[in-house]
Amino acid sequence: DAMVIQNPRYQVTQFGKPVTLSCSQTLNHNVMYWYQQKSSQAPKLLFHYYDKDFNNEADTPDNFQSRRPNTSFCFLDIRSPGLGDAAMYLCATSETGLTDTQYFGPGTRLTVL
Amino acid sequence: SQQGEEDPQALSIQEGENATMNCSYKTSINNLQWYRQNSGRGLVHLILIRSNEREKHSGRLRVTLDTSKKSSSLLITASRAADTASYFCATDLSNDYKLSFGAGTTVTVRA
Repeated sequence: DAMVIQNPRYQVTQFGKPVTLSCSQTLNHNVMYWYQQKSSQAPKLLFHYYDKDFNNEADTPDNFQSRRPNTSFCFLDIRSPGLGDAAMYLCATSETGLTDTQYFGPGTRLTVL
Repeated sequence: SQQGEEDPQALSIQEGENATMNCSYKTSINNLQWYRQNSGRGLVHLILIRSNEREKHSGRLRVTLDTSKKSSSLLITASRAADTASYFCATDLSNDYKLSFGAGTTVTVRA
């Protein structure tokens, strides 16, 4: 089945220790997104790739970076995680437009100790 | 900033009852989408309704859109325990390029 996969599902890191979250998709969609979602809050868009074009949201901290080496994979790098970065990180894809239906992965729950 | 706001924040119903939740937004939109999120999981797309549509159905789901009131409602009929989840509306602003999610309505269906 075509899908969006995120690894790991749970990630524990230490304060200040870099961490990388990964996302892969078999949908062959052009657009990939990373969202941050804290408890009982709306998902917050961090950045997205339209094909290879990277687009950062204005309020995304510099601590967050992303890479998309090919159509299928996208990575979220948190260079120096703080306690406030503990959250669920959701990867999503859409076929072409940024306001199309989005297909989400199961998320990675990040804990920062 | 958040465009859509869901109401109520939380809803508890008995299995078999209907559940209705509302989404209000501030500026004109091209379309509005509803998503479901089970606890600790990703979001699942339910329905997309375009600004020129007034009502859409999908199985036990009915979505309405009133652009004059800038509001939408999601009705789940004959609820089941498996409908327990958070439901989010997402709007695309006519002058923006991305979806804006509300904070969601948490629905609990009691057996």
